[in-house]
Amino acid sequence: DAGVTQSPTHLIKTRGQQVTLRCSPKSGHDTVSWYQQALGQGPQFIFQYYEEEERQRGNFPDRFSGHQFPNYSSELNVNALLLGDSALYLCASSLKWDQPQHFGDGTRLSIL
Amino acid sequence: GEDVEQSLFLSVREGDSSVINCTYTDSSSTYLYWYKQEPGAGLQLLTYIFSNMDMKQDQRLTVLLNKKDKHLSLRIADTQTGDSAIYFCAESFLMDTGRRALTFGSGTRLQVQP
Repeated sequence: DAGVTQSPTHLIKTRGQQVTLRCSPKSGHDTVSWYQQALGQGPQFIFQYYEEEERQRGNFPDRFSGHQFPNYSSELNVNALLLGDSALYLCASSLKWDQPQHFGDGTRLSIL
Repeated sequence: GEDVEQSLFLSVREGDSSVINCTYTDSSSTYLYWYKQEPGAGLQLLTYIFSNMDMKQDQRLTVLLNKKDKHLSLRIADTQTGDSAIYFCAESFLMDTGRRALTFGSGTRLQVQP
């Protein structure tokens, strides 16, 4: 039974570029949440997807957008990258929105 | 807004018990979680407790919840070197849409001395 998988594992971009991160949820899970973890801090909630729609959003600008596909997988897109976007981006999946969330190993994004 | 606080660092000797503490603010929390993060890895769900419970035990892990003081603790019995990691406390908080997301503390780094 595969857990949450994320790709790529590492990514290096420059300021102003755009990036797309991908997530496949744990088998049977239908809700995907994305978190940003800056170095030395706890993860911060970006947004949550369920039934292919963004259901809830944290305190992140519109440069951060996402998508959920019919197979429940999800993408996180970040436009106009800033140095401060350097972080570990974590995807978490759950069955419905109030069940325990299981995390992937994340994508380490570095902005030069 | 929601806030979760943890002490930053804990050092114990192998074989001792470790106790990691956390305070939270959201009185509407339903679940409170403990996650473990090893270097270069994502978050591993260790255990969770429903907010109407006082205690939950799962093998070497014991979670205690004091709802009055909004205090959560994680006790690891017979701590091993493999337990060295960062431990995050998280609360599920209610958002405007009626859905829930997680708020995390800054993490407690547990160092186990052999």
